[in-house]
Amino acid sequence: EADIYQTPRYLVIGTGKKITLECSQTMGHDKMYWYQQDPGMELHLIHYSYGVNSTEKGDLSSESTVSRIRTEHFPLTLESARPSHTSQYLCASSEVDKGQPYEQYFGPGTRLTVT
Amino acid sequence: DAKTTQPNSMESNEEEPVHLPCNHSTISGTDYIHWYRQLPSQGPEYVIHGLTSNVNNRMASLAIAEDRKSSTLILHRATLRDAAVYYCILRPPGGGADGLTFGKGTHLIIQP
Repeated sequence: EADIYQTPRYLVIGTGKKITLECSQTMGHDKMYWYQQDPGMELHLIHYSYGVNSTEKGDLSSESTVSRIRTEHFPLTLESARPSHTSQYLCASSEVDKGQPYEQYFGPGTRLTVT
Repeated sequence: DAKTTQPNSMESNEEEPVHLPCNHSTISGTDYIHWYRQLPSQGPEYVIHGLTSNVNNRMASLAIAEDRKSSTLILHRATLRDAAVYYCILRPPGGGADGLTFGKGTHLIIQP
C-alpha cells in the first residue's frame, strides 16, 4: 500500500482566491510529481522535483507553483484561482531512477472546482 | 517515443482470468514495459513492469513475447474491484522528467 496523501480531497473555491494543495509521502522518495487530469482525459505532468530544493516545470504549462523544502512534502500553490484551473490534481512519488524507471505511486487526488 | 496499442474495452466475468493485450512493435531494446490502472475517480495505480522475462506479483502477471513486440497483463481471478482502465506504457531507462504519458488504455468491465 502506497503512503502518499493529498489534502483536501475536494475543494470548491471562488475566483481570485489563493489555494495550496498539500501532498505528503512517507516512503522517503526523492522524486515527486504533480499531474493535472480532467475527467476522462489524459494525465499531464505540470511539475516535478528530484529532491529537496529542486523543482522543474513539466510538459504542460501551468500557472501554479511548487516548493520542496522537505523530502516528504511537495505542496502546489495557485496564487489566484480561475475557473480554467478547475481540474483534478494528482501527486505522485518514486525513487530516483538508477538504470531503470521505477514505478510511481499516486495519491488520491484533489478535485478542484473554481467558481 | 515508442507507442502502444490496446483494445478500447474488454469484458470479463467475476472470478475468471483476464488477459489484457498490448502491442508495442516499435519498442526499443532498453524500454521497460509498465502497466498501470486507474479506478473511477482515483489516481493511477502501478500494477507491474518487466523488461524481457515474465513477471509475477501479488496483483498480476506480465507475459512478454520473446521478440518484445507485445505483452499481456494477466489477472488470474478478476473481481469487481478490478474494473478500471488499464494502461500499458513503455518507459526508457532512468533520467529526465519521467512523467507518465498514458494513451487511451483498455476499459475493463467485470460482470458479476
